[in-house]
This record gives sequence, structure tokens and C-alpha cells, in this order.
Amino acid sequence: GAVVSQHPSWVICKSGTSVKIECRSLDFQATTMFWYRQFPKQSLMLMATSNEGSKATYEQGVEKDKFLINHASLTLSTLTVTSAHPEDSSFYICSARAGAGVTDTQYFGPGTRLTVL
Amino acid sequence: SQKIEQNSEALNIQEGKTATLTCNYTNYSPAYLQWYRQDPGRGPVFLLLIRENEKEKRKERLKVTFDTTLKQSLFHITASQPADSATYLCAPKGGATNKLIFGTGTLLAVQP
Repeated sequence: GAVVSQHPSWVICKSGTSVKIECRSLDFQATTMFWYRQFPKQSLMLMATSNEGSKATYEQGVEKDKFLINHASLTLSTLTVTSAHPEDSSFYICSARAGAGVTDTQYFGPGTRLTVL
Repeated sequence: SQKIEQNSEALNIQEGKTATLTCNYTNYSPAYLQWYRQDPGRGPVFLLLIRENEKEKRKERLKVTFDTTLKQSLFHITASQPADSATYLCAPKGGATNKLIFGTGTLLAVQP
């Protein structure tokens, strides 16, 4: 089956630093990747959608200058949290979709736990 | 605005019984709906997809129904097992949108 990996699985950083999270589709090419954020006991909130080779589309209320997304290849997307603050602490999850059809399944990564001190 | 609601309370059932989880949506006409399972500290895992023209879909011990009149989907797990304990998320998807929007999730606890 389709596998999506994320790295790192967890990260602790100091306030003001930047953190990069990688999302890779291991056995398929992902035309579209999605980034979600999940706070404790809440559902997944879509942050942005990225298509390979083009700029990401951010959801309302998500600061594009703070959450930089790069979808440089069909198997890799990165999310960089710039100048992280404690309120950015959350569980970040990416997903990847192989096809362009609306019924194509999204496969999710295992998530990255970010803690900002 | 679009709204998706799932049982907000945790669902506790006895092993062997059938678990039924509810997903209601408003201001929305999804072309299809997906159900996912999420374990603590992990990403969601896809379970089933049902289209608007399908009334019911089955996969092993799982069954999903989709009632576009009631704007509701029901997710059933028959002969439940403690290993089925997890949070279950529904995600309706509109015809034109590229995005999955998730419900709040229902925590299922199956007691041995």
C-alpha cells in the first residue's frame, strides 16, 4: 500500500527558532500534498494544499509567511515553521494524493509532534 | 458555513457488540464521504469511501451508510474487538473542492 513518511517524528525547539518538517511519499508520486495541524482532542485542521512545482494554497487564517511550504518534487514536501512560538506547538500531519481525481485517496503520514519552549 | 458533527462523547461498548458512529453535516452536499481511523499520536488511516449514489458500503466487519436526505453517514463495526478502540473521523468531500474536511471525531473504547 501507499506509504507516507514524516521526519522528524517529534521535535523540541526554543522560541524564535525555525523548524523544518519533511513529508515523503515512499512508493508513489504525489501530485498533491496537504498539511494539517491537530491540537489535543481536536480534529485535523487543513493548513495548506501544495501541488508539485507551484505555490501552496493556504487556508484562511493560516499565515503563509510563517508556515513556508515547498513541494519541490513529486515525492517530497516540506513545511517550515518560522520563528516558532509556544502557541505553534501542535501535531503536524501531512498527506499525499497520487491522482488528480476527486475520489483518489489521501494517505497520511505518521505526524510530527512540535513542542516550542 | 459547512459543519460536520460526530458523536462528541466517547462511545464505550462491550467486546462483541456492534458499534455505531454518527456523522452529520450541514450546509454541504458532498459527492462522497470517507471514514478514517486515528490512533493516539498517529496520522489517520483510510478505511472506507462511500459515494452519494451508494446507500451502503461494506468491508469485512465495517459498514458505512450514506443518507443524503438526512445529511448523515453511519459507521458500524460489527463483532467489535478491543483492538478497534481508536478515534474515528468522517470526512465529507464536496464535488468541486480539492479538500478533505474532517469531523471532530468519535473516540471508541471497546471493553474486553
